[in-house]
Amino acid sequence: EDQVVESGGGLVQPGGSLRLSCAGSGFSFSNYWMNWVRQAPGKGLEWVARIKQDGSEIYYLDSVKGRFTISRDNAKNSVYLLMNSLRVEETAVYYCVRDFHYYGAGHLDVWGRGTTVTVSS
Amino acid sequence: QSALTQPASVSGSPGQSITISCTGTSSDIGRYNYVSWYQQHPGKAPKLMIFDVRNRPSGLSNRFSGSKSGNTASLSISGLQAEDEADYYCSSYTSDNTLVFGGGTKLTVL
Repeated sequence: EDQVVESGGGLVQPGGSLRLSCAGSGFSFSNYWMNWVRQAPGKGLEWVARIKQDGSEIYYLDSVKGRFTISRDNAKNSVYLLMNSLRVEETAVYYCVRDFHYYGAGHLDVWGRGTTVTVSS
Repeated sequence: QSALTQPASVSGSPGQSITISCTGTSSDIGRYNYVSWYQQHPGKAPKLMIFDVRNRPSGLSNRFSGSKSGNTASLSISGLQAEDEADYYCSSYTSDNTLVFGGGTKLTVL
């Protein structure tokens, strides 16, 4: 079964940093674009970042540019999200998601269970 | 990167049909046929229901269908069932090479 599992969430103070990890299994990880999508409590989905199969293309939500960094290690079948200067309003469940479209056009077919990030003093 | 616009809620009785709209711009829905729809039950991860405007993943019920006209995409569900009650989100690829979601629509089966 194709699956992704997130880890690394937790409680962090405003302005702090956190690194999320996501491990893929059951599929050829290096063949897929990978994404991070978040969902604040009681709110809708918000796309955050995505990275191409070989890491050569990366795109971000405007509000996280310069603070968040997405990266991947295909040898470890893993994708990461380093989050700096975190804000209270970024409290959310963060999902790691596979895009099965070769060019990463947003066919998000494998979702993890999410990892919870709480930004609070 | 403005969110796509969806109605906050829709409802229907079992067996009926409903349609959820999703309005974007000429930089996203209007420009690409890369519209997807997701179903999310409370406390669960979203599930892909439709991709490329109208295609269903393998094994998904044909009660779910998608369409697009101009800057607006739609998800239709026929023969409503109790288990269809959930939140539904549309998404689109954009000219900035990013993805954008709609605000979500809560479907209530009466």
